[in-house]
Amino acid sequence: EAGVVQSPRYKIIEKKQPVAFWCNPISGHNTLYWYLQNLGQGPELLIRYENEEAVDDSQLPKDRFSAERLKGVDSTLKIQPAELGDSAVYLCASSTSGGLTDTQYFGPGTRLTVL
Amino acid sequence: GQQLNQSPQSMFIQEGEDVSMNCTSSSIFNTWLWYKQEPGEGPVLLIALYKAGELTSNGRLTAQFGITRKDSFLNISASIPSDVGIYFCAGGSSGSTLGRLYFGRGTQLTVWP
Repeated sequence: EAGVVQSPRYKIIEKKQPVAFWCNPISGHNTLYWYLQNLGQGPELLIRYENEEAVDDSQLPKDRFSAERLKGVDSTLKIQPAELGDSAVYLCASSTSGGLTDTQYFGPGTRLTVL
Repeated sequence: GQQLNQSPQSMFIQEGEDVSMNCTSSSIFNTWLWYKQEPGEGPVLLIALYKAGELTSNGRLTAQFGITRKDSFLNISASIPSDVGIYFCAGGSSGSTLGRLYFGRGTQLTVWP
């Protein structure tokens, strides 16, 4: 069974440019998460979807970040405009549902470098 | 957000040695998880704990959910080179934070052959 797929794996952009990340969760997983992982830190939740509904987006900086999961499967995370401090790894994860007993499976992440 | 204190920050050990790391929180959790992350990959779940006092093993790994519900530890016995990676603790509560997981800063483990 395929795991969580993310693309691109690496992205280098100049500050003030827009950037988008894509995530395809494990088939049948209703819950999708986007995490931010800064260097030397653990992942921090940005947004959680239950199907196509964002149920926890309180940590998403909405002035420049947006996300969507239109059909309740794939998801995109966008940053516009990007800032130097956005350089980090963006992880996507999925689980069968949003309960704490449901294992979250992580993708390999997208490493973003903002110059 | 919640602050998890994970220690040690890094460990350099010889193959065959045992390893112990721990995680403490200022808040009570009803779930403690331990993940391992290798370079260029996402974290992978190693052990999940759901009950205070619970002691759970997965091969050479053993983890415990602290009685106070504010701490957890992970032990690795007889370490091998493939144990190299970053180990993260994560705590969760099904209360007002809607089941959000909070991660520690990780313990970088290096194993010398």
